[in-house]
Amino acid sequence: DSGVTQTPKHLITATGQRVTLRCSPRSGDLSVYWYQQSLDQGLQFLIQYYNGEERAKGNILERFSAQQFPDLHSELNLSSLELGDSALYFCASSGTVSYNEQFFGPGTRLTVL
Amino acid sequence: GNSVTQMEGPVTLSEEAFLTINCTYTATGYPSLFWYVQYPGEGLQLLLKATKADDKGSNKGFEATYRKETTSFHLEKGSVQVSDSAVYFCALLGGSEKLVFGKGTKLTVNP
Repeated sequence: DSGVTQTPKHLITATGQRVTLRCSPRSGDLSVYWYQQSLDQGLQFLIQYYNGEERAKGNILERFSAQQFPDLHSELNLSSLELGDSALYFCASSGTVSYNEQFFGPGTRLTVL
Repeated sequence: GNSVTQMEGPVTLSEEAFLTINCTYTATGYPSLFWYVQYPGEGLQLLLKATKADDKGSNKGFEATYRKETTSFHLEKGSVQVSDSAVYFCALLGGSEKLVFGKGTKLTVNP
């Protein structure tokens, strides 16, 4: 158990819909990262937050957005969903002590029908 | 930009066989290097890491050495077990703090 939790575990929805994925980092970790794992693209970095502020952006679509709240949990919002958005979405966190080590949650599997 | 290339699988071995999964990288500066493992139906777990040249990371019988001269970080294990069946990802962390992953190598170990 990495200490990073993600909900829900599975999500099935239809094209055009909007969903929210939630992540709680390990206790004390200030950084949260979101990654997408798909068969086509492999594992890709989407976005990073540090203590509530956006820190880095990767290949994140404009239809996707994220935020980190004062209690450090993070949400990834995916809107106008397309079939191609079906993937496993991972959240990871890192702290100031092990800053170069990211701990991954179990992931949320999104299926868009 | 930074990139990781790892040998494509799948790799199928018999129990107690020797394992090597090749990984090479392209990066500016001095990245940290990692191997992550993903067991069926689970998330990613850090297997081992190395943060500077000639460092050797090791865990659970797996080893990898950070070779700057060949820009490589090959994963090895002397004697694999059925329980090692999983997908293995090589990754690097540069100055941007985002992990860059290889495509993954699926390992199946048969009894």
